[in-house]
Amino acid sequence: NAGVTQTPKFRVLKTGQSMTLLCAQDMNHEYMYWYRQDPGMGLRLIHYSVGEGTTAKGEVPDGYNVSRLKKQNFLLGLESAAPSQTSVYFCASKEGDYGYTFGSGTRLTVV
Amino acid sequence: QKEVEQDPGPLSVPEGAIVSLNCTYSNSAFQYFMWYRQYSRKGPELLMYTYSSGNKEDGRFTAQVDKSSKYISLFIRDSQPSDSATYLCASQIQGAQKLVFGQGTRLTINP
Repeated sequence: NAGVTQTPKFRVLKTGQSMTLLCAQDMNHEYMYWYRQDPGMGLRLIHYSVGEGTTAKGEVPDGYNVSRLKKQNFLLGLESAAPSQTSVYFCASKEGDYGYTFGSGTRLTVV
Repeated sequence: QKEVEQDPGPLSVPEGAIVSLNCTYSNSAFQYFMWYRQYSRKGPELLMYTYSSGNKEDGRFTAQVDKSSKYISLFIRDSQPSDSATYLCASQIQGAQKLVFGQGTRLTINP
């Protein structure tokens, strides 16, 4: 059982470039999330989805877009990358009130 | 002010010591309280969860929540080098779909 899979694991972007991070879960969870983790800041919620075809903004949504076209996939897009978006990005899915499962992360550097 | 505050440490203790990790929170509506363990370059894993106030024990780990003082604690008994990781506290309002994290405390257990 793979759980939550994130691709790619590492990426270096130039300022202004665009990219999409892919999250896939095989647990049939309704809820999916994108967090970013920065030193001293913990994990901060970017966007989330409560089901296929739905998305909602989290704490730090600016500069990001998301899509949930299929229940098992949640995509995070950066249209024009900025150095401030250098971070480690985690995807999570959830079952019930507290059963969050996290992926292993994507390390993104914007130069 | 962050809704969940956690001393980032780092915290370094000798093997076998009792470790106390603490968080405070400001939102009195929080009902679910969780502790996640995150090894280096990995995603967070759920370690303990507590609903409302009280204690919960699981092996060498004890989680405590005091809602009157808005204080969350994790105790690790007989600490082992394998416990070296970053520990993140997190809270959630019942029925809400967003988990709010503290900054995380980096813990090192020295053999």
